[in-house]
Amino acid sequence: GDSVTQMEGPVTLSEEAFLTINCTYTATGYPSLFWYVQYPGEGLQLLLKATKADDKGSNKGFEATYRKETTSFHLEKGSVQVSDSAVYFCALTGAVGGGADGLTFGKGTHLIIQP
Amino acid sequence: NAGVTQTPKFRILKIGQSMTLQCAQDMNHNYMYWYRQDPGMGLKLIYYSVGAGITDKGEVPNGYNVSRSTTEDFPLRLELAAPSQTSVYFCASSYVDDTQYFGPGTRLTVL
Repeated sequence: GDSVTQMEGPVTLSEEAFLTINCTYTATGYPSLFWYVQYPGEGLQLLLKATKADDKGSNKGFEATYRKETTSFHLEKGSVQVSDSAVYFCALTGAVGGGADGLTFGKGTHLIIQP
Repeated sequence: NAGVTQTPKFRILKIGQSMTLQCAQDMNHNYMYWYRQDPGMGLKLIYYSVGAGITDKGEVPNGYNVSRSTTEDFPLRLELAAPSQTSVYFCASSYVDDTQYFGPGTRLTVL
């Protein structure tokens, strides 16, 4: 079945550092790829998405490019802030069922930004 | 526009008790989902629905039931609570473009 693997955390960085969170996937067909963010005590919020190969999703300074050849969707940000501290989830859907049958999530990466 | 709402926020149950977690959305989304999130893990799909009157099992449906009598509501029922059902439960909804919108979650403890 489909699966998502993302780097284990916690990841601790200083403010203004460069961020990369790795995400790779296994899926049959052509999934859509997502990054969701969860702030403490809250539900998940969509951060960005990409629906086909070579698409780049971007939002709030975060970017990720859908790489079909390496089955990857790594999250990057050039300069992180303390307010970026959260848990980040890579997810996919739609590989076979067209998206109606739910998201497959990675385990999440806890990001801690120190001032 | 409230988005996806869930009640209650917190609940403690004794083993063998039953309860219903409520979920409602006001975005006229056809698709709705229930996930559970265990510590250090990603979310796992319990049940989903593609429209009123239609439900289907996800990855971890055992011990749960759902119904979808209206577009807006998608309650999740636990009939005989077990400690293994201690988790945070998230409801989500989507329209046709895959982006799912999540509620704030219900934290359930079974003792």
